[in-house]
Amino acid sequence: DIQMTQSPSSLSASVGDRVTFTCRASQSISSYLNWYQQKPGEAPKLLIYAAFNLQSGVPSRFSGSGFGTDFTLTISSLQPEDFATYYCQQSYSTPRTFGQGTKLEIK
Amino acid sequence: QVQLVQSGAEVKKPGSSVKVSCKASGGTFSSYGISWVRQAPGQGLEWMGGITPILGTANYAQKFQGRVTITADESTSTAYMELSRLRSEDTAVYYCASCKSGYGYGYYFDYWGQGTLVTVSS
Repeated sequence: DIQMTQSPSSLSASVGDRVTFTCRASQSISSYLNWYQQKPGEAPKLLIYAAFNLQSGVPSRFSGSGFGTDFTLTISSLQPEDFATYYCQQSYSTPRTFGQGTKLEIK
Repeated sequence: QVQLVQSGAEVKKPGSSVKVSCKASGGTFSSYGISWVRQAPGQGLEWMGGITPILGTANYAQKFQGRVTITADESTSTAYMELSRLRSEDTAVYYCASCKSGYGYGYYFDYWGQGTLVTVSS
């Protein structure tokens, strides 16, 4: 199975900050990397697919990059509604593994 | 857009089985896959398996092989996930998600059900 490792596990930031999340795969997954946002009590929401493609309806302050084993999700200017947990997920092979998540908290 | 509505919460005894449904509306049911993802309390997301209704074939994470069965009924646009031999560690919220794919894009879960809490307790 491909292991996905996210860092950091938690992050404190303020509204207006630029934040970056990192996701590393245990082997190359080309660009088959997706990002999801999950708020407490809600289902996950797709933000980015195939490393850098913004899902329809997702604000442009979200962006993704990376290829191979190292990927990043960036929020250019944090908004209050962005405080949530973020997960990466690979779709290169089954099982379609997720990272353990990065919890973004208000500083 | 696709909407996925799941069945309600369940409380089960250890050793029993649970079957969760996921009814889709919008889009064409047979044109996308359905995956099941679970989340134990306070934990992360775990992919269990998925099915492509038009093909009728399912694949499962090795961890759940032999205990999980995922099926789809095209006539009612409903997918099902049955998990057997339940144990306390199976207590979790179970989500269905529509799985879109495209050349060069891989697979991604673009729409999700609201989740079904399954509690396993004696």
